[in-house]
Amino acid sequence: GQNIDQPTEMTATEGAIVQINCTYQTSGFNGLFWYQQHAGEAPTFLSYNVLDGLEEKGRFSSFLSRSKGYSYLLLKELQMKDSASYLCAVKDTRASGTYKYIFGTGTRLKVLA
Amino acid sequence: DARVTQTPRHKVTEMGQEVTMRCQPILGHNTVFWYRQTMMQGLELLAYFRNRAPLDDSGMPKDRFSAEMPDATLATLKIQPSEPRDSAVYFCASNLGGWEQYFGPGTRLTVT
Repeated sequence: GQNIDQPTEMTATEGAIVQINCTYQTSGFNGLFWYQQHAGEAPTFLSYNVLDGLEEKGRFSSFLSRSKGYSYLLLKELQMKDSASYLCAVKDTRASGTYKYIFGTGTRLKVLA
Repeated sequence: DARVTQTPRHKVTEMGQEVTMRCQPILGHNTVFWYRQTMMQGLELLAYFRNRAPLDDSGMPKDRFSAEMPDATLATLKIQPSEPRDSAVYFCASNLGGWEQYFGPGTRLTVT
């Protein structure tokens, strides 16, 4: 089947580093995305991994291990505005060539002063 | 600044009424998605279109939901009849080439 797991909530302190983990099970893995969603707003794209390794983009980095079905999002130098939900999503491609995105339920991150 | 737009932003209706939500994807994007988001289920894919053709609607309750794309600038999601369990935020998203999705602001639907 298809499944994505991520922690429901995390709390961290301003200026610290936090790592949000995501594990997945899909039959046609074709990439993993991280999105940020502030309360009452739409999700916005943060990062994309399709090959194993680390992708760095400013304060945010994302890691992927396809053999382990595992990814993490690393946020450095946390700021109050980073308080949001972080959604892990997998692109699952079928034999027909069609694909769909499967989202986790999100990790709600609270940054404390 | 290209954006996905959705109307209405909020909708309150009574059970049994028809609800129509509209989405204008980013110009040039060839794939349009409809999602539903609730606290319990998170973000669920309802249906999506590529080049206006429906590719997957397996996530959609077929008896009451329908999705169409009458032209490249408009996608619609209709619920008839609506039920209280349909209360959720409905997002439209678009992209080009299977990469990152751009989400609209959502329609917050409340069915009483």
